[in-house]
Amino acid sequence: GQQLNQSPQSMFIQEGEDVSMNCTSSSIFNTWLWYKQDPGEGPVLLIALYKAGELTSNGRLTAQFGITRKDSFLNISASIPSDVGIYFCAGPRAGGTSYGKLTFGQGTILTVHP
Amino acid sequence: NAGVTQTPKFRILKIGQSMTLQCAQDMNHNYMYWYRQDPGMGLKLIYYSVGAGITDKGEVPNGYNVSRSTTEDFPLRLELAAPSQTSVYFCASSTGSSGANVLTFGAGSRLTVL
Repeated sequence: GQQLNQSPQSMFIQEGEDVSMNCTSSSIFNTWLWYKQDPGEGPVLLIALYKAGELTSNGRLTAQFGITRKDSFLNISASIPSDVGIYFCAGPRAGGTSYGKLTFGQGTILTVHP
Repeated sequence: NAGVTQTPKFRILKIGQSMTLQCAQDMNHNYMYWYRQDPGMGLKLIYYSVGAGITDKGEVPNGYNVSRSTTEDFPLRLELAAPSQTSVYFCASSTGSSGANVLTFGAGSRLTVL
């Protein structure tokens, strides 16, 4: 079945540093989504990407839809303590209409030291 | 708007017991989902519904049942609980068509089966 592989699995950074993470798949995706999960909460959508090559920003966050449609990247600039959490990539499962049936990566755990 | 509300937040069950996780949304979303999250893993889809009276299996449906009698509510039933069902369960909802992949998640229900 479809699998999404995220790297790195975890990151420990200093406040103010930039962060890069990526997500790869052996299958083509037509939509890429990036979610953030705060401790004890459900995931919240950060950025949605709908077109190969698309580059989209949301404040200090920038995400790109890879040209091959098999990968996506998320960058966070000038990290702050509230960026702590788990970042998930996700995409609609193959076959039929997606209806929000998402495949999720295993997540990148981000820790920011003040 | 409360968004997606899940109850209970925490529950401990004995092997073989049954219970229902409640989920309600007040956004008039047609689509609703149940995902489970195991440690170090991404979320996996259990069941979904595209409208009242319509439900279908996701990736990991065994041991669960759902119903959708109203647009607002989408309860998840666990019959004969097993230790393998120890997990954090997330309910989510979305609008239809182009917004179907933009999920709004609840805060989660943490279930332990002993």
